[in-house]
Amino acid sequence: GQNIDQPTEMTATEGAIVQINCTYQTSGFNGLFWYQQHAGEAPTFLSYNVLDGLEEKGRFSSFLSRSKGYSYLLLKELQMKDSASYLCAVNQNQGGKLIFGQGTELSVKP
Amino acid sequence: ETGVTQTPRHLVMGMTNKKSLKCEQHLGHNAMYWYKQSAKKPLELMFVYSLEERVENNSVPSRFSPECPNSSHLFLHLHTLQPEDSALYLCASSQGQLPSETQYFGPGTRLLVL
Repeated sequence: GQNIDQPTEMTATEGAIVQINCTYQTSGFNGLFWYQQHAGEAPTFLSYNVLDGLEEKGRFSSFLSRSKGYSYLLLKELQMKDSASYLCAVNQNQGGKLIFGQGTELSVKP
Repeated sequence: ETGVTQTPRHLVMGMTNKKSLKCEQHLGHNAMYWYKQSAKKPLELMFVYSLEERVENNSVPSRFSPECPNSSHLFLHLHTLQPEDSALYLCASSQGQLPSETQYFGPGTRLLVL
């Protein structure tokens, strides 16, 4: 079956670095997305990885290893506004059907 | 603002009511989606429309009935819902259906079924 695992909650300190892991087991793979969702708001796109390796975009980076079924989202120089839920989602076929993990609730403390 | 709007933002309904959720995208996209987000559970895909044709129905009960009159609008008609249907209902759109295409989400409708 399909399975996407992320930690439920994480806490980090302002200015620090945090890594949010995502492991997946899906029947197909056509890329992995990370979304950020603040409480009461829409999920917003952060990154997309389809090839192995690290994609860097400002303070956020995302890594993918297809052979290990593993991805992580790295957030540097944490700010209070980074407190949100981070959703990992896998596209497992040729269309737009995404399978989501349950999300990681990140709390950034002063 | 992501370019996707949803109304109403909050809805309380009884199990015998009929209501509709509305989604509108201002991005010129060709694909639209309905998702359900329950507390402590992953986002669940419900329906996918591409060029106004339904291309995915993810084993959703018939008490949820989608409608896509044009590529900018998507509705979710609700009737005889159950309390366990209480959740956040999110609409999303994408340019097409290629695997790499980003889905843009609306803010959702928070539904409570009494």
